[in-house]
Amino acid sequence: DARVTQTPRHKVTEMGQEVTMRCQPILGHNTVFWYRQTMMQGLELLAYFRNRAPLDDSGMPKDRFSAEMPDATLATLKIQPSEPRDSAVYFCASGTGYQPQHFGDGTRLSIL
Amino acid sequence: SQQGEEDPQALSIQEGENATMNCSYKTSINNLQWYRQNSGRGLVHLILIRSNEREKHSGRLRVTLDTSKKSSSLLITASRAADTASYFCATGGYSTLTFGKGTMLLVSP
Repeated sequence: DARVTQTPRHKVTEMGQEVTMRCQPILGHNTVFWYRQTMMQGLELLAYFRNRAPLDDSGMPKDRFSAEMPDATLATLKIQPSEPRDSAVYFCASGTGYQPQHFGDGTRLSIL
Repeated sequence: SQQGEEDPQALSIQEGENATMNCSYKTSINNLQWYRQNSGRGLVHLILIRSNEREKHSGRLRVTLDTSKKSSSLLITASRAADTASYFCATGGYSTLTFGKGTMLLVSP
């Protein structure tokens, strides 16, 4: 089965450090989503891309978060500088716009 | 803000019993989806029901939709320990989805 691959699966780092999370969408999927999941807020959409172009990043704190798709096989989410409140599980999902979204298994991020 | 809100927040049953989860949403929808999340894993799509459908089945899953009440329910029949997971409803079509906070289902052997 085709899968969305996220790396790393776990990341622990100190406040102020840069964090980069990577996602390999399913081949042929042209839409990529970044979500953040916390106990308090649940699952929140941070940003999404279609055909590598950013369509909506209104859910993302602009001053410290950035999302890019350098090519069709890689999406990145960066946090710089990281803060303890950024601790969460970050999910990438991909889709075609005509099928349900397929999720990766997430990056569990802890900022100390 | 959450569009969908699941009820109950947690549900504990025995294997073989049926599990029913409910979802309420606030605005008009084109369709509603249900996803499952196993511990430590990503969400997996279970079923989609369109706004002009009232009921849909997939294996042991039965989903109903009442657009007049802005609510949906997910019924899992003859539950198994492997059904233990969190279940989320989502609205918004295939593009941007808005998820509820989920129902945690525990099925005990």
